[in-house]
Amino acid sequence: SQTIHQWPATLVQPVGSPLSLECTVEGTSNPNLYWYRQAAGRGLQLLFYSVGIGQISSEVPQNLSASRPQDRQFILSSKKLLLSDSGFYLCAWSVFMNTEAFFGQGTRLTVV
Amino acid sequence: AQKVTQAQTEISVVEKEDVTLDCVYETRDTTYYLFWYKQPPSGELVFLIRRNSFDEQNEISGRYSWNFQKSTSSFNFTITASQVVDSAVYFCALSEARRSSASKIIFGSGTRLSIRP
Repeated sequence: SQTIHQWPATLVQPVGSPLSLECTVEGTSNPNLYWYRQAAGRGLQLLFYSVGIGQISSEVPQNLSASRPQDRQFILSSKKLLLSDSGFYLCAWSVFMNTEAFFGQGTRLTVV
Repeated sequence: AQKVTQAQTEISVVEKEDVTLDCVYETRDTTYYLFWYKQPPSGELVFLIRRNSFDEQNEISGRYSWNFQKSTSSFNFTITASQVVDSAVYFCALSEARRSSASKIIFGSGTRLSIRP
């Protein structure tokens, strides 16, 4: 069966520091991969999605970037974190772009 | 453009009451998918159901039921005999059924459901 791993679970980082969140999927090939952000008490905002290795699409302009160095690995990065980058980050995968996505456990990022 | 509206920000009911979470959507496509997800306090989103636009049959799964009505662009979720473990944030979502990178899942803002013992 397919599983998705996301780490770390929580992270406290100072403003201006770099960020790297990693997500890996097991048990499937060529998944569609997503990064979502959920601000406190708010809905989900799609940040990036990827349909294949090296293929990244950005939904909103921001201080973050994403990379997909391997088929089942998706990385969210920032060179310099801002206070506004705080939030709950969720990685997800799906078979097709328009079908249900399955989510990781999330990373709660606090920028101080 | 796609849009999902969950007008109920928070709902609080006493255990064993029935509760309905509303979801209204907008899309220009005739073919689309609708979803419901549950986000318990742990944070992980749990997929509950997917319906396609051609299937308006209501679905029941245990205490959960879903009412899909194209005429009103609604996809409501009812929990019967609610339990404390049902306390969570529930998200409704929509995607167009084109198999292309342009078809992404769009989420509503969520409804926080609290079940009081």
